[in-house]
This record gives sequence, structure tokens and C-alpha cells, in this order.
Amino acid sequence: DAGVTQSPTHLIKTRGQQVTLRCSPKSGHDTVSWYQQALGQGPQFIFQYYEEEERQRGNFPDRFSGHQFPNYSSELNVNALLLGDSALYLCASSSGTFNEQFFGPGTRLTVL
Amino acid sequence: KQEVTQIPAALSVPEGENLVLNCSFTDSAIYNLQWFRQDPGKGLTSLLLIQSSQREQTSGRLNASLDKSSGRSTLYIAASQPGDSATYLCAVRRNTGANSKLTFGKGITLSVRP
Repeated sequence: DAGVTQSPTHLIKTRGQQVTLRCSPKSGHDTVSWYQQALGQGPQFIFQYYEEEERQRGNFPDRFSGHQFPNYSSELNVNALLLGDSALYLCASSSGTFNEQFFGPGTRLTVL
Repeated sequence: KQEVTQIPAALSVPEGENLVLNCSFTDSAIYNLQWFRQDPGKGLTSLLLIQSSQREQTSGRLNASLDKSSGRSTLYIAASQPGDSATYLCAVRRNTGANSKLTFGKGITLSVRP
């Protein structure tokens, strides 16, 4: 079992650009959640996808959007990047009654 | 609004010491609580998950307790080792269901000195 995988590992962009991050959930998991973790902070919930629909959303602007594919993998898109978007972006997958979340290694995004 | 607090922000202990990491949350209406470990620049590794109906969970040298009424959880690490050095985060899920989001504390950075 490969666990949750994310790509790319690192990314450098400039302000105003757009970025797409990718996540493949753990085998057997159907729910994907995205979190943003700024340096020295705990992860903040961005949104959650289930059955290809956004089920919940945190307090993030519409510049942040996502998608889930039929194979349960997911993408996070961020438009019009700001310096403050620099962070570690974490993907978590889960399934079942207790929904224990398993996290991927993250994508480190740097916005210059 | 749920708030999760972990104090202190950092802790340094000698190898072999037993230690307790604290986590407090403001809204006791939780579905479950999860403890994670994070190594520098890495993702989160799930350590223990406690359902709201449970009082504790154990895995190896780790024991997590939950007192929902007082809004507290502790992670006990027995016989600490240098390899335990990492940041430990707790996160709670609201009782709106298994699919509700996790709310995290800022974490406690643990350093175990050889």
C-alpha cells in the first residue's frame, strides 16, 4: 500500500501565477481533504471532496478550487497567487465510519 | 468556533524520561480526537485516534487519553528516545459527523537529548 501520495514535492511560483497540486489517496479511501500549513502553525482546512463533489469548505477565498476524479484522486488549484499562499499543502484521505485521516508528505509551495 | 491549544510550544527532555504532552479544546462536542507526529518539512503521521466515547488509546510506548467534559487530551510517551524528536499535533473533529473537518493545534516541538 503506497499510502497517500502528492506531487510535486516542491514548487516555486511568482505572484499572480496559477498552480495545480495533485493527490492520490490511500487505497480504499474515497474522501480527500486539503489543508494549508504555514510555517510554525497547525494545518488549516481548505476543503473536502467526496464522490467528486466539494462537501465542505473552510475559510479560504474562491481563488482556491479543487476537483476529485472518478478514481478518487484530487487536485487543488490556486489562482492569482499571493506571497501569503506560501505554505506546505497537505492532502489527507479517509474512509469509513471513523474516518481516521491519513496524510501525504505535502507539497511545499513558495511564492516569490 | 472550536479552538485547540497546545502548551508549551516546545519541550526539551533527556533521553529515557517519561513525558506528557497536553492538548485542550474549547468545544467539548467532538466526534473524535487524533494525535499526529510531524517531522521537519514532512507530512503528518497519525499516531492515535480516540473516539468521543473512549477514554484512552494505546500504541506501543504511546498512550493518549481524552476527557471530553473538561476539553482535554494528553499524549503520554514512555521512555523517550532521540528518535521521538518531532512536532506533535492534536486535532479534533466536531460531532457533526465522521466527515467533519479536523481543527488542529499549533503543535508541541519535542526534542529528546541523548
